[in-house]
Amino acid sequence: GDSVTQMEGPVTLSEEAFLTINCTYTATGYPSLFWYVQYPGEGLQLLLKATKADDKGSNKGFEATYRKETTSFHLEKGSVQVSDSAVYFCALPGSARQLTFGSGTQLTVLP
Amino acid sequence: EAGVTQSPTHLIKTRGQQATLRCSPISGHTSVYWYQQALGLGLQFLLWYDEGEERNRGNFPPRFSGRQFPNYSSELNVNALELEDSALYLCASSLAGSVWYFGPGTRLTVT
Repeated sequence: GDSVTQMEGPVTLSEEAFLTINCTYTATGYPSLFWYVQYPGEGLQLLLKATKADDKGSNKGFEATYRKETTSFHLEKGSVQVSDSAVYFCALPGSARQLTFGSGTQLTVLP
Repeated sequence: EAGVTQSPTHLIKTRGQQATLRCSPISGHTSVYWYQQALGLGLQFLLWYDEGEERNRGNFPPRFSGRQFPNYSSELNVNALELEDSALYLCASSLAGSVWYFGPGTRLTVT
């Protein structure tokens, strides 16, 4: 079945460091791909999405490119801030239209 | 436009009792999804409702049930509560499985 494998955390970075969180997927066809973010004590917020191969999703300085050849959708940000501290989830819609999530990556950014 | 809303924010119950959680989707969205996020266990799909019908359920016992009303809002009922049911319950809504938007969640604590 469809699945998402996400880089294990936790990840700790200093402010202004470069961030990469790896995400690879297994799916039938070419589903849309999503990154969600969960700030402490809150629900999930859609961070960005890509709907087809070579699409680049971007939002709040975060970017991810849908790579069909490597079945990847890695999340990147050039300069992280303390306010980016959160848990990040990669996701794709499964065969029955429910989202399948990766295990989540806890990011802590230190001042 | 209002987002997905959930109530109550927090719910404290005793083992063996029943819990009822509520969700209102984004206006125009006909699908509602329920997820359980237990501490350290990631996001587990519970139920999917669309147009008033249960369309799919995850690997949870029958004491987890729910319904969707004509206005597309939804209830999640958990009967015979067990300690391991303590978790954050997240509701999401979607229009035709394009993008999933999540509510802030209900924190259920079973003592």
